Order: sequence, then structure tokens, then C-alpha cells
Amino acid sequence: GQSLEQPSEVTAVEGAIVQINCTYQTSGFYGLSWYQQHDGGAPTFLSYNGLDGLEETGRFSSFLSRSDSYGYLLLQELQMKDSASYFCAVSQAAGNKLTFGGGTRVLVKP
Amino acid sequence: GAGVSQSPSNKVTEKGKDVELRCDPISGHTALYWYRQRLGQGLEFLIYFQGNSAPDKSGLPSDRFSAERTGESVSTLTIQRTQQEDSAVYLCASSLELKAFFGQGTRLTVV
Repeated sequence: GQSLEQPSEVTAVEGAIVQINCTYQTSGFYGLSWYQQHDGGAPTFLSYNGLDGLEETGRFSSFLSRSDSYGYLLLQELQMKDSASYFCAVSQAAGNKLTFGGGTRVLVKP
Repeated sequence: GAGVSQSPSNKVTEKGKDVELRCDPISGHTALYWYRQRLGQGLEFLIYFQGNSAPDKSGLPSDRFSAERTGESVSTLTIQRTQQEDSAVYLCASSLELKAFFGQGTRLTVV
């Protein structure tokens, strides 16, 4: 089976940097994805890492270390609109089912 | 369609009744997923369809839950003899490769 661990909640101020860690245990691993979900909304795709290293998309970056079964999502220059839940998810093969972590609720304060 | 469409958006049902939830995936997406999300909780995997392969039903919580998919199109999730613990948002997603697109979900309330 698969299991993913991420912190339940993080609070930060506008303009700050937040790092959300995700550790996973899985039989077979293809990649790690990150999704954002605002209250009452649907999860939306943020980023994907299939290889070790850093992927940057604007203010958001995601990192993967396959040897450590670890990844993180980095949110920079935090804005109020970044207040949401962030989920890491592992896939065992391309197009394979996604297994999600429990989510990290990020609260951005003025 | 432009995105994943789910219906109904809200459903209130009496305990013991059967309900059917519908998902229209993005055209051409071979993979389709159903998840359950209780208030303030994570996404609980229910079932996964990939093309014509046998579905992965390992997440269905009981035999009251079943799902079907016709080819690479519409999917229905059926919950029989609903119970209050089934109250949740049921999310459907579809994907072609690595990026999943979610519908807005069906909020199910069992009273």
C-alpha cells in the first residue's frame, strides 16, 4: 500500500515563505504531485516531480528526493489568496491512480 | 467538455435510500477516479478506472458502494442503503497522464 505524511497546518504572514514537507512510503513509485484546494472548491493541479530536483512554477516550487522518499512544496511571497489546503499525491505509474496525503492547511495572515 | 462535470452538485437523501452520482470526464481522458472527502479531511480513494482494464476497487469502503464506467466516458457511483456516515463530498477526477482534473464534486447529505 501507500502512505503519505504531511503537516496538518501551517500559519504564515503575507510575503513570507512556507515549505510543506511530504514523506511517503509506497510499493513502486512514479512521481509526486501537488494539488491546491480552496475551501468549498475542487483540488487543482500545481506541480509534478518525476525526477530528483527542483521544479519551479512562478512563486511555487516543488522538490523531490527519491532516495529519501521525500518532497516539499515551497510557497514564496505568500499572498492572502494562497490560504488553502495543499495535498501531496503519489502515483505508481503514468496514468496510475493517485494516492493523496491528508493535506496541509495553510493560513496566510496580513 | 471543457472540464470534469459532476451531477448533482448537492443531494440530500434519507437514510436507507439508494443514490447515484454521475461524472462526465474530460473527453479523451483514459483514467477516471472517485474520491470521498469528509469535512476538513483529505481525499479518500474509492475506485480507479483506466481504459479497458479492470477497475481498482480497493478503496470502496463496503459492498454498498459500486461504480461503473462505460468505455472512456461517463461514470456512475452508486451507494445503496445510505447511512449517515456516507455524508461527504464525492469528487471525480480524470487524467490522461500525470495531471488530474477534478470536478466540483457532489455534496451528499444523509438525514
